[in-house]
Amino acid sequence: DAGVIQSPRHEVTEMGQEVTLRCKPISGHNSLFWYRQTMMRGLELLIYFNNNVPIDDSGMPEDRFSAKMPNASFSTLKIQPSEPRDSAVYFCASSSGQTLRFGQGTRLTVV
Amino acid sequence: GENVEQHPSTLSVQEGDSAVIKCTYSDSASNYFPWYKQELGKRPQLIIDIRSNVGEKKDQRIAVTLNKTAKHFSLHITETQPEDSAVYFCAASQTGGGADGLTFGKGTHLIIQP
Repeated sequence: DAGVIQSPRHEVTEMGQEVTLRCKPISGHNSLFWYRQTMMRGLELLIYFNNNVPIDDSGMPEDRFSAKMPNASFSTLKIQPSEPRDSAVYFCASSSGQTLRFGQGTRLTVV
Repeated sequence: GENVEQHPSTLSVQEGDSAVIKCTYSDSASNYFPWYKQELGKRPQLIIDIRSNVGEKKDQRIAVTLNKTAKHFSLHITETQPEDSAVYFCAASQTGGGADGLTFGKGTHLIIQP
């Protein structure tokens, strides 16, 4: 399979701008996860979906963050407005119940 | 919720020696414990996992042990090689054994000295 596909790979944006990160999970996987990785906090689960339905969004840091999964093959994570402290690597991952497979990640820099 | 503690944060070993990374978890209901390896600038990748009905699992040079009573599990790498240098993450699942709700440890940076 092509694996989990994320875009863009790198994003540099100015504080206050809207940022949208995109993810295509592995076909047939029914769970999708968004993680944020920083040196200070490690890998944090932001939100996950089962069969396109958000199950747990308790990790979403604030109302500035939102995620959608309109269909089984696409998800977005949006930050509006972005702030410098949102700078991190954002990983999307998918699974069919056991192994979690990660995408390449999006390195976000907010200046 | 689940809390996973991982130690040490950095581990330096001589090439050929063994490396051991330890994790503890708080939720006695957790029953799935994977280990991920993340090379610099790359994505985390699963290297081995264990379920709570098994005490030990081996795959070539890597092994994982689980002590449910003490709620800790460990990763053992024998005959370390330069390509083992990476950050290793342990994780625990709060639910029925799947990937849902995986909580990760903070990671261990393993450095293999030539």
